[in-house]
Amino acid sequence: DAGVTQSPTHLIKTRGQHVTLRCSPISGHKSVSWYQQVLGQGPQFIFQYYEKEERGRGNFPDRFSARQFPNYSSELNVNALLLGDSALYLCASSLGTGTRETQYFGPGTRLLVL
Amino acid sequence: KQEVTQIPAALSVPEGENLVLNCSFTDSAIYNLQWFRQDPGKGLTSLLLIQSSQREQTSGRLNASLDKSSGRSTLYIAASQPGDSATYLCAVGGSGTSYGKLTFGQGTILTVHP
Repeated sequence: DAGVTQSPTHLIKTRGQHVTLRCSPISGHKSVSWYQQVLGQGPQFIFQYYEKEERGRGNFPDRFSARQFPNYSSELNVNALLLGDSALYLCASSLGTGTRETQYFGPGTRLLVL
Repeated sequence: KQEVTQIPAALSVPEGENLVLNCSFTDSAIYNLQWFRQDPGKGLTSLLLIQSSQREQTSGRLNASLDKSSGRSTLYIAASQPGDSATYLCAVGGSGTSYGKLTFGQGTILTVHP
């Protein structure tokens, strides 16, 4: 079975632009979470979606938004990019919501903002 | 607010050595604790998941323990190999949320030299 897939793998944008990152969960998984990992630090939670509804949000500005589609894939959108948004963006999927589930991570999208 | 700390930040050992990585967390009200491995520029690979009711989990040469009351977990790696070189991340799932937010430590960078 395929694991969590993310696209694109790498992306270069300039300040003020908009970016959309995509994630496909493991087949059968209904929950998708997004994390931001700045170089040298652990990942930080951004969002969790389950059954197309937002179930959790981390401490990120409103420039960050996400959605989940009927096939459980997800998009993360970031508007008005800042240099500080440069990071590895990780998507994780799990069978359901809740912290008892093992989360499986994708390879990430590396975003560079110039 | 949950805070997760990993010690040491970096570790370099000769091949064959047994080693221990440490993780501490400030809020003992957790659902589970998960250890991940991250290779440079890559996503996270789940190694072990310990539910809050468990004391330890084992997988091959890896053994993770959990002491909720003291807010500590250790990852024991037996007979280390150069292929074990990676960053090891500890993450806790908190009971204070109804969703799957993981709070990560900053990681321990492990180098195993031949």
